[in-house]
Amino acid sequence: DTEVTQTPKHLVMGMTNKKSLKCEQHMGHRAMYWYKQKAKKPPELMFVYSYEKLSINESVPSRFSPECPNSSLLNLHLHALQPEDSALYLCASSQDIGTGQAYEQYFGPGTRLTVT
Amino acid sequence: SQELEQSPQSLIVQEGKNLTINCTSSKTLYGLYWYKQKYGEGLIFLMMLQKGGEEKSHEKITAKLDEKKQQSSLHITASQPSHAGIYLCGADNSNSGYALNFGKGTSLLVTP
Repeated sequence: DTEVTQTPKHLVMGMTNKKSLKCEQHMGHRAMYWYKQKAKKPPELMFVYSYEKLSINESVPSRFSPECPNSSLLNLHLHALQPEDSALYLCASSQDIGTGQAYEQYFGPGTRLTVT
Repeated sequence: SQELEQSPQSLIVQEGKNLTINCTSSKTLYGLYWYKQKYGEGLIFLMMLQKGGEEKSHEKITAKLDEKKQQSSLHITASQPSHAGIYLCGADNSNSGYALNFGKGTSLLVTP
C-alpha cells in the first residue's frame, strides 16, 4: 500500500480565517513533505520533515505553519492567507531523506485551496 | 533559468503509437523521478532512477537515466487512452534523497 491521504479535498477560506490541512500515511515513512502547485505550474517544495522534525523550510511565509504530531501525520496550519496563496497543496512521504540514496516519494491527492 | 527542462511541452499521439518524453537537468542528478498527474489531482509515482545507465520498466512504460548527459527519457510503447495526462520529471540535484525541482510537465493526449 503506497497511499497518502489528504483532507479536506477542497477548502475555501477568507483572508482572516484559520484553517488546517491534514496529511496521513501508514507506510512507516519517516520523511514527509508539503508542496504547493499553482495552476499549470510544477510543484514547489515548501517544507520537509524528517523523523518528526522540520528539516527544510524553503523560505515559506509565516502564514503557513507546518506541524508533525507523529510519524504518520503532517498538518499545515493556515492563517491570514492572501488570494495568491490559492493553489493545490500536495503532501508526500518517503522512507527517509539523506545523502547517498534517493527514496521513492509518494504523493497524496492534494487539497485544492481557494482564498477569497 | 529553468533547472529542469522537459520536452516536448505537449504531445498528441494516435492510440497504439510509441512516444518519448525527455527531461534534461542543468545540474548534477542524484536521483530522477517520473510522475503522472491528471489535472488538479495528485502525482502518481511511476519510477525513480538513481544510477547512470539505469533503466526501469513498468507495464508499457520504460525510463532511462543518462547520468553523463544529466538527462532521462520516458518511453511509452503502444500508447492507450489511459496513458493520457501530464508527465512530470522531478530531480534530486542536491543529494538530499527527494525531488527538489520539477520540470514544467508534458501534456499527453492519446486519440482513438
